[in-house]
Amino acid sequence: AQSVTQPDIHITVSEGASLELRCNYSYGATPYLFWYVQSPGQGLQLLLKYFSGDTLVQGIKGFEAEFKRSQSSFNLRKPSVHWSDAAEYFCAVGNTDKLIFGTGTRLQVFP
Amino acid sequence: DAGVTQSPTHLIKTRGQQVTLRCSPKSGHDTVSWYQQALGQGPQFIFQYYEEEERQRGNFPDRFSGHQFPNYSSELNVNALLLGDSALYLCASSFRQLNNSPLHFGNGTRLTVT
Repeated sequence: AQSVTQPDIHITVSEGASLELRCNYSYGATPYLFWYVQSPGQGLQLLLKYFSGDTLVQGIKGFEAEFKRSQSSFNLRKPSVHWSDAAEYFCAVGNTDKLIFGTGTRLQVFP
Repeated sequence: DAGVTQSPTHLIKTRGQQVTLRCSPKSGHDTVSWYQQALGQGPQFIFQYYEEEERQRGNFPDRFSGHQFPNYSSELNVNALLLGDSALYLCASSFRQLNNSPLHFGNGTRLTVT
């Protein structure tokens, strides 16, 4: 069955600290992988995507993610978190016909 | 360049009623998908419309139906509302001819069923 697991429901970090959000997936074919961010009351904004090629992908707002096929993972990272990064983050697998989302990780940033 | 727009932003309905949600895709996009996001959950795929036809459907009952118009805008209809239909309904658009065109999401319609 196709699925996405985000093991961390809630993460709290201090501003300026590094961040890693975990994502594991189960998908029958070569996965297309995505990270989206959702601020309160807003829709989803695409941070980055992986289709093929270089397994380290760069996104907007200083985020990056690394695809590790052997671990079925696509973890999101940022070297220095800003207070404005506080939001809900969703990992997704699939394509533009249908995305399967994880349950999300809520990021809280302390000054 | 207008992004994906959805209306209304909020809606309150009573059990058993029917509701229609509307979506205008991003300029240049021709494909519209609908997702349901329950509180504390990730979005779940409802269905996708292209060329005015439903192309794919997720695991949702027939109470959920949709339509796409010649100008690519779309409606989501839900009949016989249940309390469990309370959720944020997200519309997303893409351009089918562009391989792996990423989805652009609207801000959603918050539906509350009482």
